[in-house]
Amino acid sequence: NAGVTQTPKFQVLKTGQSMTLQCAQDMNHNSMYWYRQDPGMGLRLIYYSASEGTTDKGEVPNGYNVSRLNKREFSLRLESAAPSQTSVYFCASSEGNQETQYFGPGTRLLVL
Amino acid sequence: AQSVSQHNHHVILSEAASLELGCNYSYGGTVNLFWYVQYPGQHLQLLLKYFSGDPLVKGIKGFEAEFIKSKFSFNLRKPSVQWSDTAEYFCAVTNTGFQKLVFGTGTRLLVSP
Repeated sequence: NAGVTQTPKFQVLKTGQSMTLQCAQDMNHNSMYWYRQDPGMGLRLIYYSASEGTTDKGEVPNGYNVSRLNKREFSLRLESAAPSQTSVYFCASSEGNQETQYFGPGTRLLVL
Repeated sequence: AQSVSQHNHHVILSEAASLELGCNYSYGGTVNLFWYVQYPGQHLQLLLKYFSGDPLVKGIKGFEAEFIKSKFSFNLRKPSVQWSDTAEYFCAVTNTGFQKLVFGTGTRLLVSP
């Protein structure tokens, strides 16, 4: 039982490049989330998926898209990376949308 | 707007000192409350949670938190901190009207040996 896994762990992009951050959970959770963590700002929700087949915007969705590929996987895509998207990205999952969330190890992204 | 406030951004303590980290939220109604901890270089882990029942909740590693509904608070406490408690602590809240968790900005705790 690996919990929540994320790939890659680290990534460096140039402005304008695109990339997809992958997230998978093996806990059969219904809800999945993408957050970004920036110094002094805590965790901010980018997008979430309350259940398979649904996605909704969070607090800071601009510049991102998501896909809930199946119950296990929830990917985050940056179509045209900007330096303001330099951050640590965490994926999380929970059984229900008000239950305890379990976090992945994070992806450190640097956009030059 | 709904919000979660953690007023202590940085806290420095010596080992064996007592800890209290403040958390206040602005939602009404029934809430679920959480404290998460992030050790250096690691991901967030659940420290404790309150859904209902006894407002004094005990978590892992000797931490506890008290839900005071009248004060909209859920402060985290530990009677005697250890060097290994050095971490960032996040309070988070959800309620029956939301489909997501809202986090505070975090408190960085440094415990000196």
